[in-house]
Amino acid sequence: DTAVSQTPKYLVTQMGNDKSIKCEQNLGHDTMYWYKQDSKKFLKIMFSYNNKELIINETVPNRFSPKSPDKAHLNLHINSLELGDSAVYFCASSQVKGKSPLHFGNGTRLTVT
Amino acid sequence: AQTVTQSQPEMSVQEAETVTLSCTYDTSENNYYLFWYKQPPSRQMILVIRQEAYKQQNATENRFSVNFQKAAKSFSLKISDSQLGDTAMYFCAFPHGSSNTGKLIFGQGTTLQVKP
Repeated sequence: DTAVSQTPKYLVTQMGNDKSIKCEQNLGHDTMYWYKQDSKKFLKIMFSYNNKELIINETVPNRFSPKSPDKAHLNLHINSLELGDSAVYFCASSQVKGKSPLHFGNGTRLTVT
Repeated sequence: AQTVTQSQPEMSVQEAETVTLSCTYDTSENNYYLFWYKQPPSRQMILVIRQEAYKQQNATENRFSVNFQKAAKSFSLKISDSQLGDTAMYFCAFPHGSSNTGKLIFGQGTTLQVKP
């Protein structure tokens, strides 16, 4: 049973295209996140949702739009993809109360050509 | 500003030996958690160990233990009896802010190579 699952695992697309990454967690957690890992392996938060409400929105281009239909799902849609968007995108979830650790999905490697 | 620093970009250790990865952080909070995550070549992010700041006792998980020095804001990870499967990138992480958002700030990572 996968706790946090994201699809697809790999995504190769051309500049200018629009793409989506889906994430689902079956841990019953309140909060879900999108993190971006760049080519230097640096991890940085992009968005966070708590019970479908956006609570963190870091300085991210508005071409990136998260959507949380329910607290178990958090999708990421990216418009007009650029070369610099190439990275690994991780979905994660946590039970915010008590500052519990993040549980990560396996990541989606996005390559923009 | 809250920061997390890992000053060792790369380290190596012989199989069965012990290695320590360092991490320092800066915060004005008094009650918080600290985490170490492992990222093997498969790129999966795996929680290794966590430490609660209000606990004086250092956390231990099998071969993994921490040396937590709150006053010095230091949180190092010790891996004993290193195994080839420990080869990975290790990240120290720290919750950001007191708003309980769950946001973690990650260090730059330390790549550990375990040699046979």
